[in-house]
Amino acid sequence: IAGITQAPTSQILAAGRRMTLRCTQDMRHNAMYWYRQDLGLGLRLIHYSNTAGTTGKGEVPDGYSVSRANTDDFPLTLASAVPSQTSVYFCASRKTSGSYTQYFGPGTRLTVL
Amino acid sequence: ELKVEQNPLFLSMQEGKNYTIYCNYSTTSDRLYWYRQDPGKSLESLFVLLSNGAVKQEGRLMASLDTKARLSTLHITAAVHDLSATYFCAVDGGNAGNMLTFGGGTRLMVKP
Repeated sequence: IAGITQAPTSQILAAGRRMTLRCTQDMRHNAMYWYRQDLGLGLRLIHYSNTAGTTGKGEVPDGYSVSRANTDDFPLTLASAVPSQTSVYFCASRKTSGSYTQYFGPGTRLTVL
Repeated sequence: ELKVEQNPLFLSMQEGKNYTIYCNYSTTSDRLYWYRQDPGKSLESLFVLLSNGAVKQEGRLMASLDTKARLSTLHITAAVHDLSATYFCAVDGGNAGNMLTFGGGTRLMVKP
């Protein structure tokens, strides 16, 4: 089934631990994005990648890093998790020609204690 | 810095009624998106508006864009319970990453 998968679905993490959220898409979209969603704040962009091998910072990049080794995968790493990173994380992707719509994955609910 | 504001934040309405959700944004853009999110679920694309005066309709929902006023509207006609969800508008600021800035969302509850 074409689309975006994210793993894990949910995670409870102790503060200070390292965590990688995984995102994979099989639509051969060039651009990929990571957002966090917090109650009352909508979605905010963390990092993005326009194509494999390139990444850029979004609105709230501090405490997060990404890599884009290939077209399909765009992992998000929290090097040392803090409670303020408790959120729902959504990965999204978009074709860079002929369509502007971003398609979203199912999300990862992360709780940092 | 691009800012996107939606109102109302919460809307409770009766089935069969009409209502409009407003999305204002602070800088020039001609790409605006509407998404729907059901509780605990992901975001589903509803409309992509790509030019001034663009109007799109799907079922009971109609979206429009006025780039000069920096305003988009999502109009609900004869609401039904299945439309209960949170609706987000998002604006493409025209930057290198085609990054979207989202409004805070409008939580819609349609009561029988």
